[in-house]
Amino acid sequence: EPEVTQTPSHQVTQMGQEVILRCVPISNHLYFYWYRQILGQKVEFLVSFYNNEISEKSEIFDDQFSVERPDGSNFTLKIRSTKLEDSAMYFCASSEVGRGTAFFGQGTRLTVV
Amino acid sequence: SQQGEEDPQALSIQEGENATMNCSYKTSINNLQWYRQNSGRGLVHLILIRSNEREKHSGRLRVTLDTSKKSSSLLITASRAADTASYFCATTDSWGKLQFGAGTQVVVTP
Repeated sequence: EPEVTQTPSHQVTQMGQEVILRCVPISNHLYFYWYRQILGQKVEFLVSFYNNEISEKSEIFDDQFSVERPDGSNFTLKIRSTKLEDSAMYFCASSEVGRGTAFFGQGTRLTVV
Repeated sequence: SQQGEEDPQALSIQEGENATMNCSYKTSINNLQWYRQNSGRGLVHLILIRSNEREKHSGRLRVTLDTSKKSSSLLITASRAADTASYFCATTDSWGKLQFGAGTQVVVTP
């Protein structure tokens, strides 16, 4: 069964460093998303991406965040200068249609020290 | 504004019992989805119910949607220990953005 895959599963980085989280969405999907979940809190929307551009972003998604689809399969989230409060589980999701079922990856646990 | 607030926050039941959790939301929706999350793991999609649907079944799951009350419920029948997880409802806007509630933690004891 097709699935969304994320790498790495766990990343530890020092405060101020740049990190890139990678995702391979399901191949025929057109809509891509990043969400995050701080430990013990609800899942929060970061950004949606369609037709090679951001379609919507939350107030969390400030200038230190960026997304890219560098080729036909990968979808990346870059955090330029990580802060302690960026420590969270980051989930990538994709859907075939904009209002359809969103399938999530297993997440990348980011720990900023 | 917050969407998809579930209650109860936690639910503890025995195997074989039914588990019911509710979700309320504030704004109009295109559809509502329910997800399961095992501790520290990814979100597994369970069921999607469209705004023009009132009830949907999938295996041991039954979801209802009442758009007049802006609420949904998830019923898990004949629960199993493997159903132990957190359950989230999420509303979908026109771009597909999901807004999640805080979730219901369900513990099923053998």
